[in-house]
Amino acid sequence: QKEVEQNSGPLSVPEGAIASLNCTYSDRVSQSFFWYRQYSGKSPELIMSIYSNGDKEDGRFTAQLNKASQYVSLLIRDSQPSDSATYLCAVNLNAGGTSYGKLTFGQGTILTVHP
Amino acid sequence: ETGVTQSPTHLIKTRGQQVTLRCSSQSGHNTVSWYQQALGQGPQFIFQYYREEENGRGNFPPRFSGLQFPNYSSELNVNALELDDSALYLCASSPGQGNQPQHFGDGTRLSIL
Repeated sequence: QKEVEQNSGPLSVPEGAIASLNCTYSDRVSQSFFWYRQYSGKSPELIMSIYSNGDKEDGRFTAQLNKASQYVSLLIRDSQPSDSATYLCAVNLNAGGTSYGKLTFGQGTILTVHP
Repeated sequence: ETGVTQSPTHLIKTRGQQVTLRCSSQSGHNTVSWYQQALGQGPQFIFQYYREEENGRGNFPPRFSGLQFPNYSSELNVNALELDDSALYLCASSPGQGNQPQHFGDGTRLSIL
């Protein structure tokens, strides 16, 4: 089992729809979770961070965290063609009790929003 | 704009050579992490530097080494380059060594011939 796993893509949604991106992680005691957006040929850009169970909203983005199920998701409302990118889930896994900021990334989900 | 700058942007080397990549962290950030991203994959953690000390290391061989300077800028050195080292090398800075968000620079694209 991979330490951080994202739903297989690519994901294609029409403009204006809700895009739902999912991520599961292996370490039950992980504390911090991040979503990055990466356009083709560019570096990852942080779009959301979440630390507590529940929902966190920022504009059209909502991150949802369920530590009991070891699951984190990202919803994009009113999707736009400019949202087309690869979305990376990153987890600060607490493997071995270390507290340093090693991020473990999923393989990414390619999202395409078509007009 | 994250304020994290990396140089050079692109680099072409041959097998067996050595390379040094550079990173300037965002103002106020004392922690720098390095990642390797192969095509079509998520970034893989190489190591992290906090206040000039290596603070954690991923599953990379010793020929990958680094430094952090008093101004918190950092270098990644790779010796004895192999074809599989071809990747995008990303530097990320954060205001501390724990759970704070990390902000990436634009990366250095390294190609090994």
